[in-house]
Amino acid sequence: DARVTQTPRHKVTEMGQEVTMRCQPILGHNTVFWYRQTMMQGLELLAYFRNRAPLDDSGMPKDRFSAEMPDATLATLKIQPSEPRDSAVYFCASGLGVGPNEKLFFGSGTQLSVL
Amino acid sequence: GIQVEQSPPDLILQEGANSTLRCNFSDSVNNLQWFHQNPWGQLINLFYIPSGTKQNGRLSATTVATERYSLLYISSSQTTDSGVYFCAPTSDTGRRALTFGSGTRLQVQP
Repeated sequence: DARVTQTPRHKVTEMGQEVTMRCQPILGHNTVFWYRQTMMQGLELLAYFRNRAPLDDSGMPKDRFSAEMPDATLATLKIQPSEPRDSAVYFCASGLGVGPNEKLFFGSGTQLSVL
Repeated sequence: GIQVEQSPPDLILQEGANSTLRCNFSDSVNNLQWFHQNPWGQLINLFYIPSGTKQNGRLSATTVATERYSLLYISSSQTTDSGVYFCAPTSDTGRRALTFGSGTRLQVQP
């Protein structure tokens, strides 16, 4: 059963520490998205990639967030240094990118708590 | 960017009842998807429906792109339908990614 895999599921860290979240998209999918969910802001787009190239990262605080795709099977989202306001659930999603195949599939998320 | 409004924000139903959830959006779209977030936080894709009507079991969805709205119908609701339903369109212009509405929180009571 193909699925998007995210690790870790939960992360508790202290302010100022580096946080790395990982995502394995569904095999063969060529678009990858990072979303963040908070009670106040809902689901917000942070960044997305097509064929491993970043297309839009305007939703990310540039000074502390970075997103990469080292290869087609791995996407990473890093926060350095982390702050309490970064506490949220971070979702990764993948899709095939064109027409009816644009259906997006989400991972289970990484719940981040920054103390 | 595109604005997405969902209504109602909250809905309580008795098991077996039917409901209609609405999504209005401000721009022309080339993609629109409905998701269900279950009580454990998992986001499940229900429909890819940029236009027209689709049905999947007790759920169906209709998007009238020219009038900038989409509807999600839930018939014979069950307690397992509880959760938050999100509409997420992609604008024809601007950012080429899904923009999520604030959701409709549904509670189905036995």
